[in-house]
Amino acid sequence: ELKVEQNPLFLSMQEGKNYTIYCNYSTTSDRLYWYRQDPGKSLESLFVLLSNGAVKQEGRLMASLDTKARLSTLHITAAVHDLSATYFCAVDGEYGNKLVFGAGTILRVKS
Amino acid sequence: EPEVTQTPSHQVTQMGQEVILRCVPISNHLYFYWYRQILGQKVEFLVSFYNNEISEKSEIFDDQFSVERPDGSNFTLKIRSTKLEDSAMYFCASSETSGGFYEQYFGPGTRLTVT
Repeated sequence: ELKVEQNPLFLSMQEGKNYTIYCNYSTTSDRLYWYRQDPGKSLESLFVLLSNGAVKQEGRLMASLDTKARLSTLHITAAVHDLSATYFCAVDGEYGNKLVFGAGTILRVKS
Repeated sequence: EPEVTQTPSHQVTQMGQEVILRCVPISNHLYFYWYRQILGQKVEFLVSFYNNEISEKSEIFDDQFSVERPDGSNFTLKIRSTKLEDSAMYFCASSETSGGFYEQYFGPGTRLTVT
């Protein structure tokens, strides 16, 4: 069974600090997706990582993918309150017909 | 920018009733999906649909559930006899093709409350 594990599940951080969210997965897929979800809202695509070593950055967020370690990281630099949300990583299912999500990381940035 | 739309945004129904959740995928997309998210939990795959057929379905998608593309634009999820545990947010998604380079775009969701 394909598993996607995120840690931490809850992260409370001060504004201006840096932190990393980790996503481990059990499949041999070389594609990984990061989504953001605000309370009561839909899933907003942040990053699509398509190959080993892929690194993408958008503002204060940077995502990377190591397919050999089956690990993706989402690094937050100098956090601001607006980044408070739940962040999900997801991988393709075995036949590419679905996404399998991690449990999500609830991020709270305190001012 | 094209987007996936869903109606209604919130549906309240009594246990045992049938509900139909509606989605309009992005117009040139060929693959359609339903996911659900129970409050405070992760997003779970229900079913994928291509060429008027189910491509894959999860264990959650039992005989109580069905999907249909009744016309060229709508994609529906029907729950025949709702249970309390069906209360969740239901998201529709679509993609140009399956997996890989073609990411899935999610609709805003329908919150289903079963009383």
